[in-house]
Amino acid sequence: QVQLKESGPGLVQPSQTLSLTCTVSGFSLTSNSVHWVRQPPGKGLEWVGAIWSGGSTDYNSALKSRLSISRDTSKSQVFLKMNSLQTEDTAIYFCTKVQPYYYVMDAWGQGASVTVSS
Amino acid sequence: DIQMTQTPSSMPASLGERVTISCRASQGISNYLNWYQQKPDGTIKPLIYYTSNLQSGVPSRFSGSGSGTDYSLTISSLEPEDFAMYYCQQYDSSPWTFGGGTKLELK
Repeated sequence: QVQLKESGPGLVQPSQTLSLTCTVSGFSLTSNSVHWVRQPPGKGLEWVGAIWSGGSTDYNSALKSRLSISRDTSKSQVFLKMNSLQTEDTAIYFCTKVQPYYYVMDAWGQGASVTVSS
Repeated sequence: DIQMTQTPSSMPASLGERVTISCRASQGISNYLNWYQQKPDGTIKPLIYYTSNLQSGVPSRFSGSGSGTDYSLTISSLEPEDFAMYYCQQYDSSPWTFGGGTKLELK
């Protein structure tokens, strides 16, 4: 059974770094890509970035300078790090598994709520 | 970046009604278009992939179509569980982008 679960701090101070972990089960990180999507309160979905099955990464243009996505395949974990956090980064952060041929996000975590506030 | 414009942003509708949600890309996306449903509790699931393919387990009242820059999601006869948010998403080029969403509400 495919599962993804996000974990991390619920509250981050402005200008600090956000670190989130996505722990997956039921599939291999070397055969599937994992993407991050976020949703600010009351707003729509925004694609944040991805780590592909081969280990390469892609990032949202607007976040690229502050963002890093990595993984530990031995632990089935994907990591998101975003620095210089601002209040506009307050959102629910989802990790998703992407089906490798048709590139649909076919499994989602429940989301991690992140609030940027002093 | 490819911009995805979804219309309408909200849609009141009745049980049993047929509804269509539109999604327009700022440039051609070669049918690389998916649709997702988000329920009020926040859970998200895929409905349609590659423009018109039904994701496993999704009822056949959902369908997708389109080409070039214009795409649509149709629900043939609304059921109570269909009142939710709907998003289109392109994967033709990075960065992937979502439409702004359509809230399907009970009239």
